[in-house]
Amino acid sequence: AQSVAQPEDQVNVAEGNPLTVKCTYSVSGNPYLFWYVQYPNRGLQFLLKYITGDNLVKGSYGFEAEFNKSQTSFHLKKPSALVSDSALYFCAVRDRGGSDRGSTLGRLYFGRGTQLTVWP
Amino acid sequence: DTGVSQNPRHKITKRGQNVTFRCDPISEHNRLYWYRQTLGQGPEFLTYFQNEAQLEKSRLLSDRFSAERPKGSFSTLEIQRTEQGDSAMYLCASSLGAKPNYGYTFGSGTRLTVV
Repeated sequence: AQSVAQPEDQVNVAEGNPLTVKCTYSVSGNPYLFWYVQYPNRGLQFLLKYITGDNLVKGSYGFEAEFNKSQTSFHLKKPSALVSDSALYFCAVRDRGGSDRGSTLGRLYFGRGTQLTVWP
Repeated sequence: DTGVSQNPRHKITKRGQNVTFRCDPISEHNRLYWYRQTLGQGPEFLTYFQNEAQLEKSRLLSDRFSAERPKGSFSTLEIQRTEQGDSAMYLCASSLGAKPNYGYTFGSGTRLTVV
């Protein structure tokens, strides 16, 4: 069964420092991987995705993530954190399947989320 | 605004009452998804539609829940005889198709509180 683990409920960093939000996954076959961010009382905003190709994926707002197949990880990173990055971050996975119409295709499996706090 | 729109934003209801939420996806998106998010958890899949066809329902979707997308455009999610455990954020998302590179666009959600 597909699952996602975000081992840290909270990550605290100082502004200007690099940040990492961890994600590991379990899925049959090769996965599609996503990161979303959620601000208070808002829906989820897409940050980046890994579909295929280069293991280092660059996304919105200076974020990037590295797909590591051997460690089944997809950690989110940013070289220099901003106070405005403070939010709830979700890692998600979906399986690839073999056709456009399948029973689980399209479903995302989310982690529990990691609250990122960047202090000035 | 061409994003995914959800109404109402907030709903407070008494236990036992019925509630209905609406989602208007991006107009050209043929796939529509419903997720539920409780405090401290990530969103959990409820159901999804391709056009007007409901292709999959989660075990989380008990008999008290029903979702429709009658004309393949907007969708409604109804909860009958609400219980306190139904209190959650209900999120709607849409996508252009099944391919992952199309991505999902989420609405801002409807927060349900059952008292």
